[in-house]
Amino acid sequence: DTEVTQTPKHLVMGMTNKKSLKCEQHMGHRAMYWYKQKAKKPPELMFVYSYEKLSINESVPSRFSPECPNSSLLNLHLHALQPEDSALYLCASSQVQGGTYEQYFGPGTRLTVT
Amino acid sequence: AQSVTQLGSHVSVSEGALVLLRCNYSSSVPPYLFWYVQYPNQGLQLLLKYTSAATLVKGINGFEAEFKKSETSFHLTKPSAHMSDAAEYFCAVLTGNQFYFGTGTSLTVIP
Repeated sequence: DTEVTQTPKHLVMGMTNKKSLKCEQHMGHRAMYWYKQKAKKPPELMFVYSYEKLSINESVPSRFSPECPNSSLLNLHLHALQPEDSALYLCASSQVQGGTYEQYFGPGTRLTVT
Repeated sequence: AQSVTQLGSHVSVSEGALVLLRCNYSSSVPPYLFWYVQYPNQGLQLLLKYTSAATLVKGINGFEAEFKKSETSFHLTKPSAHMSDAAEYFCAVLTGNQFYFGTGTSLTVIP
């Protein structure tokens, strides 16, 4: 099984809402990633978890809060977002952080902030 | 700092024609290089990767890429384009613990 799943597929939220994005993998990977992707642009790294600990935070605003409850799950909690946060949010995983290991991507959550 | 340059943000080819998507990298050490494809409203799918073994790498869907150290290039090719190849293609370099993506090339296949 080389699948990374993400829910929901689409999300529309107001600027005062609180919502969460979920990501799951069962490949035994110990590194998980959140990316933000705007249309026709490459993914931008937001967070990296390595062995369930946050190892990279790319200066992401605090209205985005990641959580890694266990080695298979990754959440992204959203609060008080801005319209410019509308984007495709991609989750990825790899065996470990670094090395020669490719990242496996989920299908993404299309987020619209109104 | 590492960087990846993809020449040509848009490439159009006729169905059955050769596909050539260009990728150049800057790296002071041998890099690990990847090509990903992204279909509309989907995540990224790995096409192939170079990890310092054979310089000619074969991937899925008939794609291949050749690592040329002297040219710091890792261009993606496919002998005969198919309509289903229309997508966004990203070259990426992995150094240390981080991926660096190129800006992407949108491939259009003309029937």
